[in-house]
Amino acid sequence: AQSVTQLDSHVSVSEGTPVLLRCNYSSSYSPSLFWYVQHPNKGLQLLLKYTSAATLVKGINGFEAEFKKSETSFHLTKPSAHMSDAAEYFCVVTANSGGSNYKLTFGKGTLLTVNP
Amino acid sequence: GAVVSQHPSWVICKSGTSVKIECRSLDFQATTMFWYRQFPKQSLMLMATSNEGSKATYEQGVEKDKFLINHASLTLSTLTVTSAHPEDSSFYICSARPPTGVTEAFFGQGTRLTVV
Repeated sequence: AQSVTQLDSHVSVSEGTPVLLRCNYSSSYSPSLFWYVQHPNKGLQLLLKYTSAATLVKGINGFEAEFKKSETSFHLTKPSAHMSDAAEYFCVVTANSGGSNYKLTFGKGTLLTVNP
Repeated sequence: GAVVSQHPSWVICKSGTSVKIECRSLDFQATTMFWYRQFPKQSLMLMATSNEGSKATYEQGVEKDKFLINHASLTLSTLTVTSAHPEDSSFYICSARPPTGVTEAFFGQGTRLTVV
């Protein structure tokens, strides 16, 4: 079994300040973890992924996340927010690398608002 | 990354009619595709798993006769909403199971369905 908890439903920051979106997970097996971003009425775009290699993962648009097994966390950060970062962010886990039981589990999402 | 194309991006239909949504993997073969429904300000809800050449697997509570899924080729899955009602209005998103060795899923752009 696997689950994802995004600790904040809404995060509001000022442009140029750091962003922290929190995610905790549970999984019976070694997980693969992802962060996706969704802009209004759009599909999901992959920001970054963790798949048992380096625990600090760098993604697109300046985002990065650190996998911490002891804390079962995979928080998303960015040093300086940009107005274009305003969107919904989903933390996603799968415990299967692509076999017949491949299934994604989504967090409930965090809405990031960036104020000018 | 791999590309999944979903069409149409939005559609308006009258109550009682049927609507077909297409999901295509453009540069890889997808033996499995997934259909999600997303309500406003909520996360993605898995509706069904579409398997090429066989029947789809529906999640509990999803009416298989209402949401017909066909996966006739390795690059195309379709979702048909039959006898649509206003409560079927929603955002529908497809994703494709990644090729071997890739852990992340690739998502279509989504389809906004409005039933009037």
